[in-house]
Amino acid sequence: KAGVTQTPRYLIKTRGQQVTLSCSPISGHRSVSWYQQTPGQGLQFLFEYFSETQRNKGNFPGRFSGRQFSNSRSEMNVSTLELGDSALYLCASSPGPNPYNEQFFGPGTRLTVL
Amino acid sequence: QKEVEQNSGPLSVPEGAIASLNCTYSDRGSQSFFWYRQYSGKSPELIMSIYSNGDKEDGRFTAQLNKASQYVSLLIRDSQPSDSATYLCAVLHGSSNTGKLIFGQGTTLQVKP
Repeated sequence: KAGVTQTPRYLIKTRGQQVTLSCSPISGHRSVSWYQQTPGQGLQFLFEYFSETQRNKGNFPGRFSGRQFSNSRSEMNVSTLELGDSALYLCASSPGPNPYNEQFFGPGTRLTVL
Repeated sequence: QKEVEQNSGPLSVPEGAIASLNCTYSDRGSQSFFWYRQYSGKSPELIMSIYSNGDKEDGRFTAQLNKASQYVSLLIRDSQPSDSATYLCAVLHGSSNTGKLIFGQGTTLQVKP
């Protein structure tokens, strides 16, 4: 079974731009969670989706948004990029509906904002 | 006070020893707790979950939970150099289906041959 895939793996953007990251969960998994990982703040929860519904959101500004499609694939969008948005963005999938007791992470997208 | 606290380490143990990793949390209502392992340059992987007070064993790993003291620990017996990684403690805030996972900063473990 293929694991969680994320595209692109690396991105370089400039301040003020927007970016869309994509996550394809493991086949059959219906829950997708997104996280931001930085050396200073560690791993922080962004949001979680199940069956196209956002069930929870972390403490991030409204510039961070996401969605999930009917095939469980998910995208997250960051608008008006800031230097501090430079991070590794990880998505994780689980069979659901409990998103955390069997969660598998993808390889991440490394975003650099210049 | 951080919601989930871990000693960043590094924790250095000799091969074959027991490594003890600790985590405290602030939300007394938390019910679900997880340990992840993250190798350098890789993504986290779930190694243990624990929901009830006491010990839970899985191979060389034992998770311990004390809700009264708001304390979770992970013991690794017969530590191997391949166990060298950062160990992340995660605590679920809210319900099992709709809560959010709060991670500690992680403890770096070094197992020396």
